[in-house]
Amino acid sequence: DAMVIQNPRYQVTQFGKPVTLSCSQTLNHNVMYWYQQKSSQAPKLLFHYYDKDFNNEADTPDNFQSRRPNTSFCFLDIRSPGLGDAAMYLCATSRDPRLAGVVDTQYFGPGTRLTVL
Amino acid sequence: QQPVQSPQAVILREGEDAVINCSSSKALYSVHWYRQKHGEAPVFLMILLKGGEQKGHEKISASFNEKKQQSSLYLTASQLSYSGTYFCGTVDNYGQNFVFGPGTRLSVLP
Repeated sequence: DAMVIQNPRYQVTQFGKPVTLSCSQTLNHNVMYWYQQKSSQAPKLLFHYYDKDFNNEADTPDNFQSRRPNTSFCFLDIRSPGLGDAAMYLCATSRDPRLAGVVDTQYFGPGTRLTVL
Repeated sequence: QQPVQSPQAVILREGEDAVINCSSSKALYSVHWYRQKHGEAPVFLMILLKGGEQKGHEKISASFNEKKQQSSLYLTASQLSYSGTYFCGTVDNYGQNFVFGPGTRLSVLP
């Protein structure tokens, strides 16, 4: 089945220790998104890629970086995690709105829950 | 700009109906509805495009009034499995800039 996969599902890191979260997809979608979701809040978009074109949301902290080495994989790097970065991190994919004409359905992975000690 | 959802939370008994509203201050091209169960990822329910289209998905349907920039999600004869947080996501009139609403927490009790 085509899907979005995130690893690990649970990640524990120490304050200030860099961490990398990964996402892969078999949907062959051109667009990939990274969201941060804190308890009882809506997912907040951090950045997204149209193919390899990187788009950073204006309020995404510099502490967060991303890499997309190919269509299938995308990584979220948190350079110096703080206690406030503890959250669920969701990866999603969609067809390219530039081709579809409009923003299309997003397919979410199961998420990685990050704990910062 | 984030859309507004109402109510913030609702508690139902199995078999009861509910309506969740989503509204925006800006002209919209489409509204997307997702459901998220606790500890899980959001799951797509449906998209409504401008044109006042109404859609249905089993006992869950939705409408979109583009003139009012408002969408409503209707849950009929609710089941325990309907429990979760419902998010609308809006797309601006240019077909871009997707934004999630704050969510409506729905609890269905036996």
